[in-house]
Amino acid sequence: AQSVAQPEDQVNVAEGNPLTVKCTYSVSGNPYLFWYVQYPNRGLQFLLKYITGDNLVKGSYGFEAEFNKSQTSFHLKKPSALVSDSALYFCAVREFGDDKIIFGKGTRLHILP
Amino acid sequence: DAGVIQSPRHEVTEMGQEVTLRCKPISGHDYLFWYRQTMMRGLELLIYFNNNVPIDDSGMPEDRFSAKMPNASFSTLKIQPSEPRDSAVYFCASSLRGGESSQPQHFGDGTRLSIL
Repeated sequence: AQSVAQPEDQVNVAEGNPLTVKCTYSVSGNPYLFWYVQYPNRGLQFLLKYITGDNLVKGSYGFEAEFNKSQTSFHLKKPSALVSDSALYFCAVREFGDDKIIFGKGTRLHILP
Repeated sequence: DAGVIQSPRHEVTEMGQEVTLRCKPISGHDYLFWYRQTMMRGLELLIYFNNNVPIDDSGMPEDRFSAKMPNASFSTLKIQPSEPRDSAVYFCASSLRGGESSQPQHFGDGTRLSIL
């Protein structure tokens, strides 16, 4: 069965510093991996995805994510955090052939001015 | 390009009343998903449809919950009778193609439901 773990409920980062939001996954086959962001009173918004190929994936708003097959991780990163990046971030996995996406519990990111 | 549209955005009603949540998916998307989000349980998949046909309703919590998709541009999630523990934010999402595609799901802004 597929699963996703986000080990940190909350991450605090000073504005201008690099940020990392961690995610590990478990699938029996080839994974499609996603990151979503949720702002207050809004739905989840797609940020980026990994399908295959280059392990570093670039997405919206300057975010990127690094796929590591040996560690089964897909950490979200940004070189320089903005206060406006403060939100709830979800990692998600879909196994090839499965219609459903499995979401992690979410990590709340606080960027401190 | 219009995204997924949900209505109402907020619903407050008394226990025992019928509640109907509505969703219009993105045009051309053939998959539609209903989720529930709470602080305690996070994001839960309730049911999903492919080409208007329910595929998996194993996440529907009880028989009080039902969902329909009469056509490609409209779906409803109904709770009858409603209970206070049904209070949550309900999201609808749609996507193009399914498990063999890398297409992401696109979410509406949700319906915040409060059952008094």
